[in-house]
Formats: sequence, C-alpha cells, structure tokens
Amino acid sequence: QKEVEQDPGPLSVPEGAIVSLNCTYSNSAFQYFMWYRQYSRKGPELLMYTYSSGNKEDGRFTAQVDKSSKYISLFIRDSQPSDSATYLCAMSGSAGTASKLTFGTGTRLQVTL
Amino acid sequence: DSGVTQTPKHLITATGQRVTLRCSPRSGDLSVYWYQQSLDQGLQFLIQYYNGEERAKGNILERFSAQQFPDLHSELNLSSLELGDSALYFCASSVSYNADTQYFGPGTRLTVL
Repeated sequence: QKEVEQDPGPLSVPEGAIVSLNCTYSNSAFQYFMWYRQYSRKGPELLMYTYSSGNKEDGRFTAQVDKSSKYISLFIRDSQPSDSATYLCAMSGSAGTASKLTFGTGTRLQVTL
Repeated sequence: DSGVTQTPKHLITATGQRVTLRCSPRSGDLSVYWYQQSLDQGLQFLIQYYNGEERAKGNILERFSAQQFPDLHSELNLSSLELGDSALYFCASSVSYNADTQYFGPGTRLTVL
C-alpha cells in the first residue's frame, strides 16, 4: 500500500464548477501538506502549503487538512480552462526529519468550456 | 518561473552510457533535491543536498550519484543507463533543509534508447 493515495482521474468539469481534489495518507508523522500543479511537460508549481490540520485559502483555492482522518483536500472555485493540469498532493514529516516529500500520483483535471 | 534552472532540457542517449544533469537552485536556497518522474511510478524522491552535504536519500539506485558544489549548483550523474531510466528528472530547491516548501525546475527529459 502506498503512503499517499490519490485518484488519478481524469476529472472533467465545466468552466465555473467547484472542483474537489483529495488525498489520503497512512503515515501519521506527516505534518506538512502541500498541493502542486503540474502542466504537461513542465515542473510542478507550488500552489498551497499547510501545516498540521485546518483550512487555508488563497484566492480561488482552499486547502483543507483533517489529520484525524488522514485526509487532505484542495477546492478550486470558479474553475477556468487554465486550471486544466495535473494536481499533486505532497506531504512531509515533522521539522528536523522533514527532508523527504512524499507525493501522490496526481489527479488530472480537465476544465471544459 | 520558479527561479530553478536545469540543463539540458532533453537528453537522448543509449543503454550503458553515462549522463550528467545540472541544476542551479533559486538565489538564496541552500537545499537541492532530485526527483525522478515516470508514468508508472509518479514523482519519486532521489536525494537531497544541503549546503554541500548529503542530507537525505530516497529511492536512488547505486548507478546514480549526485553532488552539490560550493556555488550550490548540483549535478546528478546517471551511469550504466538502462531503458527503464527514461523519465523526467526534476530538481527542486528550498531555503532550509526541511522539505516543506520546495520550488521545482522545468526538468530534464531523459530518453534511453
């Protein structure tokens, strides 16, 4: 079983829809949670960074972490065709041992006109 | 543009050969991370260097090695190449030795024929 599970999709939504992307994990030592966006043939781009449980909002993006359920989410409001990309969740352990990021396999999102 | 640069963008070589991939981190970042991304394995952490010293190792093969130079740029050396080594290789950098916020370069696409 992988440490981080993520539905590969593809997920297809119409423009303007609210998108929900999710990851589950098994390692309770994870403390830092990130979402990256990766366009085809490009490097991953850091979107959101959250420490421990809670919500964080940045423009149209909201990240949620529920450590009790080992579940993290990324919500995209008013989705745009330019949001079409692969979204990768990533997480790492506590400070001092946090050198390694563990990634999900990514969810491919397609926002259609 | 993340500020992380990688060269070359593309590399085509034959089995058994050796190649060197180069990475320059963002200005001020002391940590460099190397990742391999393939279709079936997703993004896999290989190795981290912090201020010239190896900090953490992931799923890096013995045929692969890396180093970080005094000017903080890093090189990943891949030897005795096999068909299965064909992948995207990404470099990322961060300010500290913790892996929480990493910024990725555009990647090097390696094709082994």
